[in-house]
Amino acid sequence: QVQLVQSGAEVKKPGASVKVSCQASGYTFIDYDINWIRQATGQGLEWLGWMNVKSGNTGNAQQFQGRVTMTRDTSIDTAYMELSSLRFEDTAIYYCARAPAKYCKKKGGCYGGYNWFDPWGQGTQVNV
Amino acid sequence: QSVLTQPPSVSAAPGQKVTISCSGGSNNIGANYVSWFQRLPRTAPKLLIYDSKNRPPGISDRFSGSRSGTSATLGISGLQPGDEADYYCGTWDSFLSSYVFGTGTKVTVL
Repeated sequence: QVQLVQSGAEVKKPGASVKVSCQASGYTFIDYDINWIRQATGQGLEWLGWMNVKSGNTGNAQQFQGRVTMTRDTSIDTAYMELSSLRFEDTAIYYCARAPAKYCKKKGGCYGGYNWFDPWGQGTQVNV
Repeated sequence: QSVLTQPPSVSAAPGQKVTISCSGGSNNIGANYVSWFQRLPRTAPKLLIYDSKNRPPGISDRFSGSRSGTSATLGISGLQPGDEADYYCGTWDSFLSSYVFGTGTKVTVL
């Protein structure tokens, strides 16, 4: 079945970086995008950004500009999200989620939004 | 700060129906499809509704979705104890070029 399995919990000091992995199985990895979402305790869901797996193009929420980097290794069907300059308020569960692929031009950007996220990874607790 | 507004909580007795509203604007709900997610305690969110009104395979028909103008609604009929969870709406915001979630609604089965 379609599944996303994330890496284990992390404990980091303020100012450090954290890199979370998300390994896909049960579908063709490059045919879908991966999005990253987080949830702090007692808070709602917060979207961090997206990555078109086929092209490697990415986009992120304005509040994470310059701090979030999304990459992938298509040889092992794994996506990565790295968040730098960690702050106490970055303590949260981080999720990856599969999404329909954006339309991406060969020599240009990607267009369109997302109609669904499914499935989600099990979550990775990051404590700062 | 969430762009989409939901009521903090709704409750009803088993077997009853609840509805959860999600209010947005012309750049998000007014322009794009809405999804609804269920987050049971200590589990990852699960897709309940996509394209504003469609259910993925395996999702009970007790869950229904609709969209009108800049608002969307999730309905849960035949409420069961297992429906106690947090529910979130979400959609793409064309102005922000970002995905936005609702503030979340806690459903309690009395």
